[in-house]
Amino acid sequence: EIVMTQSPATLSVSPGERATLSCRASQSVSSNLAWYQQKPGQAPRLLIYGASTRATGIPARFSGSGSGTEFTLTISSLQSEDFAVYYCQQYNNWPPWYTFGQGTKLEIK
Amino acid sequence: QVQLQESGPGLVKPSQTLSLTCTVSGGSISSGDYYWSWIRQPPGKGLEWIGYIYYSGSTYYNPSLKSRVTISVDTSKNQFSLKLSSVTAADTAVYYCARGLQIDYWGQGTLVTVSS
Repeated sequence: EIVMTQSPATLSVSPGERATLSCRASQSVSSNLAWYQQKPGQAPRLLIYGASTRATGIPARFSGSGSGTEFTLTISSLQSEDFAVYYCQQYNNWPPWYTFGQGTKLEIK
Repeated sequence: QVQLQESGPGLVKPSQTLSLTCTVSGGSISSGDYYWSWIRQPPGKGLEWIGYIYYSGSTYYNPSLKSRVTISVDTSKNQFSLKLSSVTAADTAVYYCARGLQIDYWGQGTLVTVSS
C-alpha cells in the first residue's frame, strides 16, 4: 500500500500571502497525483491532476509541482475563499486504487 | 454537465448491510474510460476510498474493506451501487460517489449513521 503523508497538518497564513503545502508518497507514484480542496459541508473539488495540471476552472494562483515521491501545492496569493482543507491523492497502482493524504487545514492567520 | 446523486437510508443498524445507489445524469455510465467510485469520510476525518467499478464492469476494492464490499452497476438505469455488510459504528460516515481516477465529479455526499 502506498501511504501519502501531508505536511503540515495545519497551516496558518494571512490573506494575500503565499501558501505551500507538501505531500510525500511512501514510494514513487510518478506524476499520478491529484490535489483537492474541501470546504465544510461540501464534497472535495479537484484542483490539480497529473501533479501539475490545473483542472477546469481553477484559478492560476493554484499550482502543483513534483514527481516521484515529493509534491507541492502552492497558492500564490491567498484569497478568503481559499481557506479550506486540502488533500492529495495518488492513483498510480495497477490496477489503480487510490490513497489520500490525511489533509492539510489552511486557516486564516 | 455530469451530475452524481447518492441515495439510500441514512440510518443502518449494527451488523446489517448498508446499501447506497448513485444516479448519474448528463452522461452515460457505460461510455468512456471511467472509473466509478465510492469514497467515504467519517465525521471530522479524512477521505477513504472504498472501491470502484470500471465502465467495463471490472471492480476493485480497498483491501481493508474487500471482504465486506460489493459494487455493482445497472447501465439501464445509469446507476451504480454500494453494499457494505456487517456494519459497525466505525462505518458511520458521509459516503460519496464519484467519477474518474483523478476525481473530476463528485456527488454531494450522504451521511450514513450506524446505530441501533
